[in-house]
Amino acid sequence: GAGVSQSPSNKVTEKGKDVELRCDPISGHTALYWYRQSLGQGLEFLIYFQGNSAPDKSGLPSDRFSAERTGGSVSTLTIQRTQQEDSAVYLCASSLGINNEQFFGPGTRLTVL
Amino acid sequence: AQSVTQLDSQVPVFEEAPVELRCNYSSSVSVYLFWYVQYPNQGLQLLLKYLSGSTLVESINGFEAEFNKSQTSFHLRKPSVHISDTAEYFCAVNTGGFKTIFGAGTRLFVKA
Repeated sequence: GAGVSQSPSNKVTEKGKDVELRCDPISGHTALYWYRQSLGQGLEFLIYFQGNSAPDKSGLPSDRFSAERTGGSVSTLTIQRTQQEDSAVYLCASSLGINNEQFFGPGTRLTVL
Repeated sequence: AQSVTQLDSQVPVFEEAPVELRCNYSSSVSVYLFWYVQYPNQGLQLLLKYLSGSTLVESINGFEAEFNKSQTSFHLRKPSVHISDTAEYFCAVNTGGFKTIFGAGTRLFVKA
């Protein structure tokens, strides 16, 4: 079946602009994660959705970052007033639940000029 | 708090040589451990995992990792690497909740 998909694959934006990154998880996966991967660093946890429960936003680096998950499926990560330090690859993953294998999307490479 | 340390950022090795990618973690509770691999221009995928039972776990492509509780390690090994093993490898730890902590990654470069 289809894996996790993300769009766009690449996004170049100017400092101060808002961006939206989209994630389509595997159908039936109740858990959805967003991570940020910066050069030379590991995956930084951003936010987690589990079913209809309130998301855990503890990893979001600032209030410029927000995410939503509509209908328990598609998720959108929004970064407002982008800064150059936001440049990174943003990865989405989904799983059947905690302790289950996470299936990763190909990522969105964000470049803020 | 949990943390994961991958001691080598890059590991160059010749084809058919053995390799060990080191991973140490810190946690005061029981852990679940994972190795993910990211091949060039591809997304991360699970390589192998330890949840319980035998401390030695294996992947389908010849990698193995051993959970060592006393040394808080989960090193990844392969007795003979191939060019196609060139990739970035991430160690990860989970303590039963939703949050999985990833290491910084080790770039394995296999030379002919």
